[in-house]
Amino acid sequence: EVQLVESGGGVVQPGGSLRLSCAASGFTFDDFAMHWVRQAPGKGLEWVSLISGDGSTIDYADSVRGRFTISRGYNKNSLYLQMNSLRTEDTALYYCTKAKMEYCSSTSCYAMDVWGRGTTVTVSS
Amino acid sequence: AIQMTQSPSSLSASIGDRVTITCRASQGIRNDLGWYQQRPGEAPKLLIYAASTLESGVPSRFSGSGSGTDFALTISSLQPEDFATYYCLQDNNYPLAFGQGTKLEIK
Repeated sequence: EVQLVESGGGVVQPGGSLRLSCAASGFTFDDFAMHWVRQAPGKGLEWVSLISGDGSTIDYADSVRGRFTISRGYNKNSLYLQMNSLRTEDTALYYCTKAKMEYCSSTSCYAMDVWGRGTTVTVSS
Repeated sequence: AIQMTQSPSSLSASIGDRVTITCRASQGIRNDLGWYQQRPGEAPKLLIYAASTLESGVPSRFSGSGSGTDFALTISSLQPEDFATYYCLQDNNYPLAFGQGTKLEIK
């Protein structure tokens, strides 16, 4: 069974840092691009970041660019999101998602077919 | 950055109704659009990708259409489990972008 399990969420003060992890299983992790998507309480979905299977393509939403860093652990089946300089507006449920198409490293192939249950990040003083 | 605008923001409908939700891109995105369903308390689920391709396991009452800037998700005959929030997502250009969502409620 294909599965994604996020961890690492918690409560942090503004300006602080947090590292999210996503453990993947049931598929050949290195062959698929991965995303982080977030959802603030009562709000819609916001795409945050993606990384291609081979790590050659990385992109971020403008709202997190320069503060967040996405990475993946090869042979560890893990996806990460290092979040620095956190703001109150970063408070959200963070989902790890898998791209549907294999070997996707350019646009037009990033539809997300598997989602985790999410991990909650709260930025508050 | 490409902006995605969904309409309506909310919609009331009855079991058996045919409903259509639209998504407009601020510039042409070919057919690089997906539709997602999110039920309360659940993670989103992929329904349609490449504008009109039905994801495996998704009921055939769901269909997608459009190309360029204007897209639509149609549910041919609403079932109780279809009352949820629907989002479009463009993956034609970086950064990727979701629409703001359409909440489908029972009339």
